[in-house]
Amino acid sequence: GDSVTQMEGPVTLSEEAFLTINCTYTATGYPSLFWYVQYPGEGLQLLLKATKADDKGSNKGFEATYRKETTSFHLEKGSVQVSDSAVYFCALSINDYKLSFGAGTTVTVRA
Amino acid sequence: SAVISQKPSRDICQRGTSLTIQCQVDSQVTMMFWYRQQPGQSLTLIATANQGSEATYESGFVIDKFPISRPNLTFSTLTVSNMSPEDSSIYLCSAGQGEPGNTIYFGEGSWLTVV
Repeated sequence: GDSVTQMEGPVTLSEEAFLTINCTYTATGYPSLFWYVQYPGEGLQLLLKATKADDKGSNKGFEATYRKETTSFHLEKGSVQVSDSAVYFCALSINDYKLSFGAGTTVTVRA
Repeated sequence: SAVISQKPSRDICQRGTSLTIQCQVDSQVTMMFWYRQQPGQSLTLIATANQGSEATYESGFVIDKFPISRPNLTFSTLTVSNMSPEDSSIYLCSAGQGEPGNTIYFGEGSWLTVV
């Protein structure tokens, strides 16, 4: 079935460090790919998305590129802040609105 | 775009009781869903809420435990029945609008603790 595998956490970084969270997917169809973020004590927010190969989603300094050849959608940010501390979820959807989520990666940024 | 409101946002429930969570969308949406997020875990799809008919449940979830209603295009309820501490979770309502796989919205979640 369709599934998402993302990098195990937790990840701890210093402020201004470079962040990468790896995400790969398995899908029978042609998925749309998403990154969601969940800040401590809050609900789920869409961070960015890409709907076709080579699309780059970006938001709040985060980027991810849809790589069909490697079935990947890695999340990157060049310089993280303490406020980026959160749980990040990679997810996919195949031609409908249902989402399959990865396990989530907890990121902690220290000042 | 669509804004999803859930009630209650948080609750502490007694073991053996049932609680109904409401989900209201501010515009018509094509599909509505309910997810569960157990503590420290990822999100798992419970069911698709079908307008005017029985919900479609994912493997491991049953109607007797999680009855769902969707009387119209913008409103749905999820009941967590006969609760046990294992039901302590965040329950999230989701809705799809526009092109499939493209526009998916989430509510803030309902954080339930069963004691």
